[in-house]
Amino acid sequence: AQSVAQPEDQVNVAEGNPLTVKCTYSVSGNPYLFWYVQYPNRGLQFLLKYITGDNLVKGSYGFEAEFNKSQTSFHLKKPSALVSDSALYFCAVRGEGSGTYKYIFGTGTRLKVLA
Amino acid sequence: EAQVTQNPRYLITVTGKKLTVTCSQNMNHEYMSWYRQDPGLGLRQIYYSMNVEVTDKGDVPEGYKVSRKEKRNFPLILESPSPNQTSLYFCASSVAISEGYTFGSGTRLTVV
Repeated sequence: AQSVAQPEDQVNVAEGNPLTVKCTYSVSGNPYLFWYVQYPNRGLQFLLKYITGDNLVKGSYGFEAEFNKSQTSFHLKKPSALVSDSALYFCAVRGEGSGTYKYIFGTGTRLKVLA
Repeated sequence: EAQVTQNPRYLITVTGKKLTVTCSQNMNHEYMSWYRQDPGLGLRQIYYSMNVEVTDKGDVPEGYKVSRKEKRNFPLILESPSPNQTSLYFCASSVAISEGYTFGSGTRLTVV
């Protein structure tokens, strides 16, 4: 069965500092991994994805994510946080060849960037 | 503008009164999906559709129905809503299973 875990409900970081939002997953087969961001009273917006290839994936708004197969992780990172990055972040996974289009989201991590 | 449009944005209804939440996308996407978002539970998939007339259950399908008669539309039907279906609902579409979703703006449903 597919699953994804975001172990931190909230992450606080000072503006200008690097940020990391953690995600671990479990799938059968190769994973398709995604990050989304949700601002208050808005729908989710796609940030980046990993399908295959380089383990470091670059996405929108200066975000990047590192795929680690041995640790089954896909952590979201940004070298220098902005106050405007404060939002709710979701990791999602689908297993390649899983035979379904089930697409599982984590429970979300609230990022708070402090000025 | 490429988008997923959901209606209504807000809905308060009474237990047992059938309702439909509409979803339409203008991107010719094959894949569409419905999610509900509840505090502490993240997004849970209700139903998805891989193409016209092809739908399948997600993780929380009980109490919901969907149909996909046209590629652009994927309505969510609650035949007899109950208070535990009070939630924030999102429709989403993608061009392929390996691509990210485009989400609608959400429908906040309250069942009293």
